[in-house]
Amino acid sequence: NAGVMQNPRHLVRRRGQEARLRCSPMKGHSHVYWYRQLPEEGLKFMVYLQKENIIDESGMPKERFSAEFPKEGPSILRIQQVVRGDSAAYFCASSPQGHTYEQYFGPGTRLTVT
Amino acid sequence: AQSVTQLDSQVPVFEEAPVELRCNYSSSVSVYLFWYVQYPNQGLQLLLKYLSGSTLVKGINGFEAEFNKSQTSFHLRKPSVHISDTAEYFCAVSEVNTGNQFYFGTGTSLTVIP
Repeated sequence: NAGVMQNPRHLVRRRGQEARLRCSPMKGHSHVYWYRQLPEEGLKFMVYLQKENIIDESGMPKERFSAEFPKEGPSILRIQQVVRGDSAAYFCASSPQGHTYEQYFGPGTRLTVT
Repeated sequence: AQSVTQLDSQVPVFEEAPVELRCNYSSSVSVYLFWYVQYPNQGLQLLLKYLSGSTLVKGINGFEAEFNKSQTSFHLRKPSVHISDTAEYFCAVSEVNTGNQFYFGTGTSLTVIP
């Protein structure tokens, strides 16, 4: 059973471009969570999704950031018009039933904005 | 929202010496508690978790932690560290009743000195 997969592992974007980060949950998991880790900081919750639904987006910046988890395919975290402050590691986690104690983390995508 | 404090940002320790990494949280509700380890440029690996029951929790790689409800602490310990334990360690909390997200501390960087 493959773990949570994220791609790309490293992404470089210039200011103003769009970044798309993908997360494929573990088999049988229908709950996905995105976290952001800024340099020298812990992870901060961004958004929690189930298939085709956003359950909690209380940690998402109000502008430029969006997330989806379609019926088929991976979850996507989209950042439009990236700025240097978006440079961070973005981690995805998945769980089968929506509990933190069942969450498994992916290896992360490291976004660098130049 | 929960607040998680890791009092030591950096802990150097000699090989085979014991170590304690401290974690305190602020909460008036029941919580689950976790410790994760992050090796350079990698994702999070679960060391151990407290959900209920015995307050002394044993995890992987010889680590253990003790839940102290009165002091709202969940300190991580290992009696004898190895070079391979050099990594970043994160304490995390989630609420039992509403917990679909983690609240992470800012991390403790453990460096084991040969």
